[in-house]
Amino acid sequence: GAVVSQHPSWVICKSGTSVKIECRSLDFQATTMFWYRQFPKQSLMLMATSNEGSKATYEQGVEKDKFLINHASLTLSTLTVTSAHPEDSSFYICSAWDVETQYFGPGTRLLVL
Amino acid sequence: KQEVTQIPAALSVPEGENLVLNCSFTDSAIYNLQWFRQDPGKGLTSLLLIQSSQREQTSGRLNASLDKSSGRSTLYIAASQPGDSATYLCAVRDTGRRALTFGSGTRLQVQP
Repeated sequence: GAVVSQHPSWVICKSGTSVKIECRSLDFQATTMFWYRQFPKQSLMLMATSNEGSKATYEQGVEKDKFLINHASLTLSTLTVTSAHPEDSSFYICSAWDVETQYFGPGTRLLVL
Repeated sequence: KQEVTQIPAALSVPEGENLVLNCSFTDSAIYNLQWFRQDPGKGLTSLLLIQSSQREQTSGRLNASLDKSSGRSTLYIAASQPGDSATYLCAVRDTGRRALTFGSGTRLQVQP
């Protein structure tokens, strides 16, 4: 079946650095991917919609200049957390649709020290 | 804006009990509703998906019902087992939208 992968699965970085997270659809093409964020003991919140070949759409309250999204191909979307701070520490999950089924990646845990 | 609420937030039961998890949503114009399981530090496992035209779905010991008009869904787990311990998330897909709106989850602990 369709699989969505994320890399890395976890990352620890220093405050002020940038971190890139990749989301790949492994055996299908996805013109749209979604990025969600989950803080500890909270639910998943949609951050942005990644559109292949065009600009991402960000949810209210999400800084587009801080969370850079690039969807350069039909199988890859990247989320870059720029100048990360401890409050950006979270679990980031992407998802992609294959026809009428949504597949979630395994998530990336980010810890900013 | 759609809002999804799950009750209870946490639940601890002895092994073998039947239990019900509740999910409510504010906008009934949904396309479908899905229940997920999330283990600590892990991603999501889809359990059941109910289309807006359906009333319930069953998979093994799990049964999910949907009452779209009242904005409610329940997940029924029969004969609970320690391996069922996890956080259960309810998520709604609104009509015309592909992103999901998630509830805050129910953390379930099944005691051996």
